[in-house]
Amino acid sequence: SAVISQKPSRDICQRGTSLTIQCQVDSQVTMMFWYRQQPGQSLTLIATANQGSEATYESGFVIDKFPISRPNLTFSTLTVSNMSPEDSSIYLCSAGEQGPYNEQFFGPGTRLTVL
Amino acid sequence: AQKVTQAQTEISVVEKEDVTLDCVYETRDTTYYLFWYKQPPSGELVFLIRRNSFDEQNEISGRYSWNFQKSTSSFNFTITASQVVDSAVYFCALSEKRTGRRALTFGSGTRLQVQP
Repeated sequence: SAVISQKPSRDICQRGTSLTIQCQVDSQVTMMFWYRQQPGQSLTLIATANQGSEATYESGFVIDKFPISRPNLTFSTLTVSNMSPEDSSIYLCSAGEQGPYNEQFFGPGTRLTVL
Repeated sequence: AQKVTQAQTEISVVEKEDVTLDCVYETRDTTYYLFWYKQPPSGELVFLIRRNSFDEQNEISGRYSWNFQKSTSSFNFTITASQVVDSAVYFCALSEKRTGRRALTFGSGTRLQVQP
């Protein structure tokens, strides 16, 4: 199983600023994803981070608001831009191998509070 | 479109009781995969089990067991002799083969509280 770390683990930010979250996997993986978990809610997929190309965003999420990078097979970043209090959530990175049968492993999450 | 429903928002039991967490799914695909994850208070999701749509055999792992029934589109999770450490939010999730959508669709989760 892959071990995933995220930085920062939590942050408190001011409205209008941006925060970049880093996700590091201890081994090369084919697929990486970013999810959002709003307080007391389930997980919602933001986007699939594609290595060497633009991320694939889910309905309701746009690149200008959530730019994603994935320069290699072990690392990805998610930026939450021009933040508002509604962006206060836990952001989770996950990774797994190609194929819907393979389980995804999750990072510990980044707890973001926007004031 | 795919959907996962966990109707039980919160369950509270006393230690050593058995508890079943329900999961009902919807999909148009004939090949799909079901998962259960545990999210303890620390926040990290822990993978528990996966099942593919062609394997209806129930599985037991220690105090955990899973009952997959295609006829009712359910994939229920039972904890036998619950312990305080089982207190967490449990998510059921689905992925499909046909759509190629590799990411998981999660249910809303069931918060389990095990009282000592």
